Amino acid sequence: DVKVTQSSRYLVKRTGEKVFLECVQDMDHENMFWYRQDPGLGLRLIYFSYDVKMKEKGDIPEGYSVSREKKERFSLILESASTNQTSMYLCASGGSNQPQHFGDGTRLSIL
Amino acid sequence: AQSVTQLDSQVPVFEEAPVELRCNYSSSVSVYLFWYVQYPNQGLQLLLKYLSGSTLVESINGFEAEFNKSQTSFHLRKPSVHISDTAEYFCAVSAMSGSARQLTFGSGTQLTVLP
Repeated sequence: DVKVTQSSRYLVKRTGEKVFLECVQDMDHENMFWYRQDPGLGLRLIYFSYDVKMKEKGDIPEGYSVSREKKERFSLILESASTNQTSMYLCASGGSNQPQHFGDGTRLSIL
Repeated sequence: AQSVTQLDSQVPVFEEAPVELRCNYSSSVSVYLFWYVQYPNQGLQLLLKYLSGSTLVESINGFEAEFNKSQTSFHLRKPSVHISDTAEYFCAVSAMSGSARQLTFGSGTQLTVLP
C-alpha cells in the first residue's frame, strides 16, 4: 500500500518565521505535489515536482518555495510566514497516469 | 485549462436513502476523472477513478460514478447510505499540464448522513 507521510499533523508558527513542511513517499513515484486546502475552495496546487531537483509552479506559488533533493522527499518552504498562510497543507505523490495518493495533512497556524 | 464544479456544497440525507453528488467539468483535452473522500482530520483517499473503458465505475463500498462525455459530468451515486459515509467528497479531473499530470479539484461536497 502506498504511504505518504507528512512530518507534522499540527504546527504553530509566528509571522516572519521560515517554515519547513516535509513529505516522504515510499512508492518510488516520479511526481510529488503540495496543495493547500481552505474551506469552500477545495484543494489548490502550490507546486509540484516531476523529478529530482525539478519543480513547476502550480496555481498559487506566491510566498512558497519547494525542494526535492531525493526522489522520496518533497519539502514545502514558507520563506516568511504570514497569517494568510494559515491553512491545511496536503502532500501527494503519483506515478505517470496513476492516481495521486495523499498524506494526512499538516494543519498550520501562523500567529 | 480544466475546471471542476461541484454543484452542492452540503448534502444532508437520511440513513439508507439514496444519494447523488453532482460533478461537472470542463476541459479542452481528454481527461481522467476521480472521486476522493476525506474523513475528519485525515487526508484524501481515492474512492474511484475513470481512466478509460467502461463509463460506469464502482468502488468497493457501494459508490458508483458514470462518465458522461456529452454532458461533461461524473456524478457520484450510492443507492443506500450509511452513517459511516459522512465525509467530504471531492471530484477531480486530471490532464497533462507542463511536465506532469495534474489534478484540478472541485470545492467539495459535505455529505452528512442522518440517523
